[in-house]
Amino acid sequence: EDQVTQSPEALRLQEGESSSLNCSYTVSGLRGLFWYRQDPGKGPEFLFTLYSAGEEKEKERLKATLTKKESFLHITAPKPEDSATYLCAVRIAGSARQLTFGSGTQLTVLP
Amino acid sequence: NAGVTQTPKFQVLKTGQSMTLQCAQDMNHNSMYWYRQDPGMGLRLIYYSASEGTTDKGEVPNGYNVSRLNKREFSLRLESAAPSQTSVYFCASTEGGVTEAFFGQGTRLTVV
Repeated sequence: EDQVTQSPEALRLQEGESSSLNCSYTVSGLRGLFWYRQDPGKGPEFLFTLYSAGEEKEKERLKATLTKKESFLHITAPKPEDSATYLCAVRIAGSARQLTFGSGTQLTVLP
Repeated sequence: NAGVTQTPKFQVLKTGQSMTLQCAQDMNHNSMYWYRQDPGMGLRLIYYSASEGTTDKGEVPNGYNVSRLNKREFSLRLESAAPSQTSVYFCASTEGGVTEAFFGQGTRLTVV
């Protein structure tokens, strides 16, 4: 069965304290791994797409990496405005383009 | 750019009532989706439309129907609402292939 698991469920950091969020997956044929940010009361906002093991993408304080079993979202020197829920999703071969989501990591960055 | 627009933003229904959630995208995307989001469950696919004129069931389709009215619009209908359908509903669209999905702002539905 295809599964996407995110950890931890919640993470509290001090401003400037770097850390990583994990997204592990067991799927039959990965066609893309996506990271989204979701603010309270809003829809998910696209951050990154990764397609193959070894690929990395960066945007400001965020860096996403991908291996054959998992993806990490590294947050360097976070700020309070980085507080949000971060969602990981995969697109699976033969799945007609829909995404399978993990349950998310709720990140709180304290000033 | 409006992107993906959902209406209404909030709705309270009584058990057994019906309603339609509306979604429209202005990005000329071929594929559209309806997800529901529940605490601790992540986003789960209800129905999707890979292209205009086609619709297919997702992971949790029971109790819902959809209509792809044209390339821009994809509606979700609850014929007889149940408390288990209390959730936040998101519409999304993609250009096609292995590309990112763009989401609307969501509809928070409560069934009492």
